[in-house]
Amino acid sequence: RKEVEQDPGPFNVPEGATVAFNCTYSNSASQSFFWYRQDCRKEPKLLMSVYSSGNEDGRFTAQLNRASQYISLLIRDSKLSDSATYLCVVNGGYSGNTGKLIFGQGTTLQVKP
Amino acid sequence: DTAVSQTPKYLVTQMGNDKSIKCEQNLGHDTMYWYKQDSKKFLKIMFSYNNKELIINETVPNRFSPKSPDKAHLNLHINSLELGDSAVYFCASSQNLGLAGFHEQFFGPGTRLTVL
Repeated sequence: RKEVEQDPGPFNVPEGATVAFNCTYSNSASQSFFWYRQDCRKEPKLLMSVYSSGNEDGRFTAQLNRASQYISLLIRDSKLSDSATYLCVVNGGYSGNTGKLIFGQGTTLQVKP
Repeated sequence: DTAVSQTPKYLVTQMGNDKSIKCEQNLGHDTMYWYKQDSKKFLKIMFSYNNKELIINETVPNRFSPKSPDKAHLNLHINSLELGDSAVYFCASSQNLGLAGFHEQFFGPGTRLTVL
């Protein structure tokens, strides 16, 4: 089983749609959770951290369910510029904090006009 | 004003050669990383240095050797290149917050390595 699992998609949605991505992780000791965004042939960039209470940043909402080891990202009112690959990222959860991040394969979103 | 830079951006070489990739960050971070992103897009940690000390060393062939001359630089040397080494290699840096963990990781633009 992969440590972080995502549906690779692609998700093809029209502009203005609401789209949700899900992710599961296997290490229950993981402490930190993130969504990164990676544009085609570019480096990953932090989109948002994910907190147990859930958090929102404009059109983006992230939620964490520790009991189910499940993370989600909701994008409302999709824009063409949201087209990218969204990476679910979990810290390693290993003893001795090393900053080790485990990346999911990514979910590709294509927003169409 | 580039935060994390890597050179070269593209590297095409023959099997069996030895090559190096350089990384520099001007963010004042004390932790740097090397990641490999293969053709299936999985991004996997290879190494991490904190204040020039190796803290993460994943299961990678010993043909790969990182070197950190100072906190701002982390280079990756690869000996006897193989076809399977073809990938995009990303350098990243972050600030170690001690018990609070690590701050966001900033990635370089990547080095696209093609082994022929």
